[in-house]
Amino acid sequence: QSVLTQPPSVSGAPGQRVTISCTGSSSNIGAGYDVHWYQQLPGTAPKLLIYGINNRPSGVPDRFSGSKSGTSASLAIAGLQAEDEADYYCQSYDSSLSTWVFGEGTKLTVL
Amino acid sequence: QVQLQESGPGLVKPSETLSLTCTVSGGSISSYSWSWIRQPPGKGLEWIGYMSYSGSTNYNPSLKSRVTISVDTSKNQFSLRLTSVTAADTAVYYCARNPCGGDCYSDYWGQGTLVTVSS
Repeated sequence: QSVLTQPPSVSGAPGQRVTISCTGSSSNIGAGYDVHWYQQLPGTAPKLLIYGINNRPSGVPDRFSGSKSGTSASLAIAGLQAEDEADYYCQSYDSSLSTWVFGEGTKLTVL
Repeated sequence: QVQLQESGPGLVKPSETLSLTCTVSGGSISSYSWSWIRQPPGKGLEWIGYMSYSGSTNYNPSLKSRVTISVDTSKNQFSLRLTSVTAADTAVYYCARNPCGGDCYSDYWGQGTLVTVSS
């Protein structure tokens, strides 16, 4: 199992707001390391969505936002759209493993 | 616009060495850190390792004894070498750019290449 824990799936209706959690520990998120989020549309490469907890690369809508508290982080998607249906992964650094670590991924379904 | 493209054999025999190359266009390879990340079919992402612009490397401890990442600045390419492969190494392999070192992330990714380990 991954060092970072994400729910396997979340869902929401168009226009709704959903959140995806990413739970770590004192050697990664809780140690102050940044959390980053990627979106992977079906059959494509991951795309950087949020970096440094809550920074959006150019071109990413402000409907996407990130936050962090203690040993957990969250990705929020407001005004859900059909094209948001994808897998979402969180990523951080783990000091005890000395590696980048990814969450297992969360599949977002737009109802 | 930075673009990355993986290339290499799509089929590797068990116990042999997997070798992939990532060609970077639209930017210099000398100024950033470069990663390899893989994704087994139907599963999540696994970080393999990275090489920084200074030449230092950092590998996933679970793969460290079998992995080598190198950079060829003259060709604007970087490479992955994974020895003694097994079926568990079957995955889509992505190359990616990291805009910083250490505690960082990947901002540009290649499209990925599927490598199957089978006899």
